[in-house]
Amino acid sequence: DQQVKQNSPSLSVQEGRISILNCDYTNSMFDYFLWYKKYPAEGPTFLISISSIKDKNEDGRFTVFLNKSAKHLSLHIVPSQPGDSAVYFCAASDSGGGADGLTFGKGTHLIIQP
Amino acid sequence: NAGVTQTPKFQVLKTGQSMTLQCAQDMNHNSMYWYRQDPGMGLRLIYYSASEGTTDKGEVPNGYNVSRLNKREFSLRLESAAPSQTSVYFCASSEGATRAGYGYTFGSGTRLTVV
Repeated sequence: DQQVKQNSPSLSVQEGRISILNCDYTNSMFDYFLWYKKYPAEGPTFLISISSIKDKNEDGRFTVFLNKSAKHLSLHIVPSQPGDSAVYFCAASDSGGGADGLTFGKGTHLIIQP
Repeated sequence: NAGVTQTPKFQVLKTGQSMTLQCAQDMNHNSMYWYRQDPGMGLRLIYYSASEGTTDKGEVPNGYNVSRLNKREFSLRLESAAPSQTSVYFCASSEGATRAGYGYTFGSGTRLTVV
């Protein structure tokens, strides 16, 4: 059963506009959420994270929003740039749980159109 | 600035052959992980090592074994490769077992094909 869901396999956005990537989770024990970016033939790289005690975290063009009651988080990229074209993975962790490791979603392929 | 180094980058195996994927990190991280990435499946945890001397199963451990050789190195072994193990394998490390919020540093991956 998937605990972290990214329901959009792909997303196409025009350069300069806002990209919004969505992620839903089912495990209420998750208390930390992260976004990773992955280019072809490379490993994922950490982008931004948010603790469950916050509802927003901003880092330059990237903002992550967390809605705990809806078990939903989103990543906003504004303005979108060609170099943002990549696969984005949402991940979650239960820092107090017995099982370690991040739980990843299946990823969303973001394509920035010129 | 090596970070996490994985070898080899590519490998083709015949069904039934064995091999070991190597991973080393130079960031003095305590925790290390092995993930596999399959199309449409995201990243799934195979095994992890919260600290030197300990290893634990993740979501998909069957068909694999691991060794935490020392703080730097964490290897993944396929004893008898099967076509279902065709995948891209990523090694990662992090500062602490339960402080996953710091994020993982990933290697560049090993693309394994089992024929």
